[in-house]
Amino acid sequence: QVKLVQSGGEVKKPGASVKVSCKTSGYNFVSYGISWVRQAPGQGLEWMGWISTYNGNTTIGQKFKGRLTMNTDPSRSTVYMDLRSLTSDDTALYYCARGWYNEYWGQGTVVTVSS
Amino acid sequence: IVMTQSPATMSVSPGERATLSCRASQSVVSNLAWFQQKPGQAPRLLIYGASTRATGVPARFSGSGSGTDFTLSISSLQPEDFAVYYCQQYNKWPLTFGPGTKVDIK
Repeated sequence: QVKLVQSGGEVKKPGASVKVSCKTSGYNFVSYGISWVRQAPGQGLEWMGWISTYNGNTTIGQKFKGRLTMNTDPSRSTVYMDLRSLTSDDTALYYCARGWYNEYWGQGTVVTVSS
Repeated sequence: IVMTQSPATMSVSPGERATLSCRASQSVVSNLAWFQQKPGQAPRLLIYGASTRATGVPARFSGSGSGTDFTLSISSLQPEDFAVYYCQQYNKWPLTFGPGTKVDIK
């Protein structure tokens, strides 16, 4: 069955970076792109960016340009998200999700930014 | 593309029908998905292509619409259906979500 398993929660100081992984299984890794979506406490869903697992091309939301990097390791069927220059506004639950319409989701990774 | 949803909150009795609306600021054709999210859980895909139920989604959930106006209908609300529902367009970058409709128990 299709699974997306994310890395564990992180606590970071303002100005730091965080890297979250999303390990996929149960399907052909290169057949579906991966989106990253975040959800601040008590808030709605915010799309951050998308990476093609086929060729590594990325599309990044305007709000995150210059701060967000995504890459893949096909040998591990894993996608990575790196967010830099963290502020308290980046405290959120971060999800990876598969495909154009986000058919499958990871369990989420809590990122807390606090001094 | 800005997505709006109405109402923000709706109170419905179990067994009643619920109709949720989603509007796009420009046409997304039929590239519209609906998600259900319960507290402490990741979103769950219900509908894609505006009207196609995802695998395992009960038939009481149905989607309709195209262009800019979409509807998610739940024909007879079950206790497990009380949740927040989001629409998302995937027609154009950036992908965008609506702000959500919370369906709670009347």
